[in-house]
Amino acid sequence: GQQVMQIPQYQHVQEGEDFTTYCNSSTTLSNIQWYKQRPGGHPVFLIQLVKSGEVKKQKRLTFQFGEAKKNSSLHITATQTTDVGTYFCTRGGGSEKLVFGKGTKLTVNP
Amino acid sequence: GAVVSQHPSWVICKSGTSVKIECRSLDFQATTMFWYRQFPKQSLMLMATSNEGSKATYEQGVEKDKFLINHASLTLSTLTVTSAHPEDSSFYICSASGTSGSREQYFGPGTRLTVT
Repeated sequence: GQQVMQIPQYQHVQEGEDFTTYCNSSTTLSNIQWYKQRPGGHPVFLIQLVKSGEVKKQKRLTFQFGEAKKNSSLHITATQTTDVGTYFCTRGGGSEKLVFGKGTKLTVNP
Repeated sequence: GAVVSQHPSWVICKSGTSVKIECRSLDFQATTMFWYRQFPKQSLMLMATSNEGSKATYEQGVEKDKFLINHASLTLSTLTVTSAHPEDSSFYICSASGTSGSREQYFGPGTRLTVT
């Protein structure tokens, strides 16, 4: 499957600042999943979005799926040092292979 | 929650030898398992999809005779790196999907392979 493009590739913020990463696809997605990988760790599932225009929140994290189901975003409010890691959006999941893009590496300056 | 383990967590081997990495789903049955490779500061690259009881499906450019995958049971998949070379040094991660219908994939902690 075609890779989902993600920007920015790197983001450095001061603790307390907000952070957003964006995913874009040239084709309509049936779903999008977000994973977080801490330095030296393995990817951990964050959320799946399926519906057009869907918005889901997990504490300081807000996930959106575009109306056309071709883009998605992850917004973190008031970043903390524990938010450090690489955030990946992927298409697929379950028994369908995940295709990882380059991800967005977030570093937070305390 | 669903837990996936990998063994060993790290291994150092000499060039030319073979290394087997195990991926186990500890508290669920995994009909499908995936093997990824991740080089430093790079993203995860899918190597192959492993289905229990059938041959693995390899991604383009991945040598199936070099990276042998066996998924003999619903809780175990193995990846054997044959005739390892220094360029095979990498972080190998497996993931598994269950039978419950959830589309979440559960990742193992990874195996760091160093070939000297």
